Amino acid sequence: TQLLEQSPQFLSIQEGENLTVYCNSSSVFSSLQWYRQEPGEGPVLLVTVVTGGEVKKLKRLTFQFGDARKDSSLHITAAQPGDTGLYLCAGDRSGGGADGLTFGKGTHLIIQP
Amino acid sequence: EAQVTQNPRYLITVTGKKLTVTCSQNMNHEYMSWYRQDPGLGLRQIYYSMNVEVTDKGDVPEGYKVSRKEKRNFPLILESPSPNQTSLYFCASSRLGGPGGYTFGSGTRLTVV
Repeated sequence: TQLLEQSPQFLSIQEGENLTVYCNSSSVFSSLQWYRQEPGEGPVLLVTVVTGGEVKKLKRLTFQFGDARKDSSLHITAAQPGDTGLYLCAGDRSGGGADGLTFGKGTHLIIQP
Repeated sequence: EAQVTQNPRYLITVTGKKLTVTCSQNMNHEYMSWYRQDPGLGLRQIYYSMNVEVTDKGDVPEGYKVSRKEKRNFPLILESPSPNQTSLYFCASSRLGGPGGYTFGSGTRLTVV
């Protein structure tokens, strides 16, 4: 089983601060996705990164795929209380989704006003 | 609205009483999958299906059954539920053949007493 390790597991910071969440593996993935999950709801896709070294931006969120396609990071600038949630990274094992996604255990993020 | 619909949202049942959790998607996705989410263990795949009449085991299939008789529906069946199947269950769907992400349902919280 290919594992995805996320760090930190828990993070509580003040509104306006910056933060980075990491997703690491010893395996290569054809693509990597980031999801955000709020209590009582299913995960919602934020972004998919496909190419090694790729950087994608979604407003204050910046996602990067490692050059070797084994790791990824999520950076949030000027965090807001609305960013609070569980952030999950997921790796596509086979390309095209046929074998399903391997999920990390997630980072619980709390942004305090 | 593109969505994955799961029912019921909450279910409390007794050990051994057969139950079915329904899942339906309106996006004409080929791929559908069931996950369970447990504290400390993250999201783990139970079963998946790449198309009608094609199903396969995920990482934790014991005690579960699925069927895919129509493209839009992918029910999860627990023939004889046990307390260790108490969990939060998610159905997800996606296109095949591209790096697109999953669309998740809102979840079913199952308690087996």
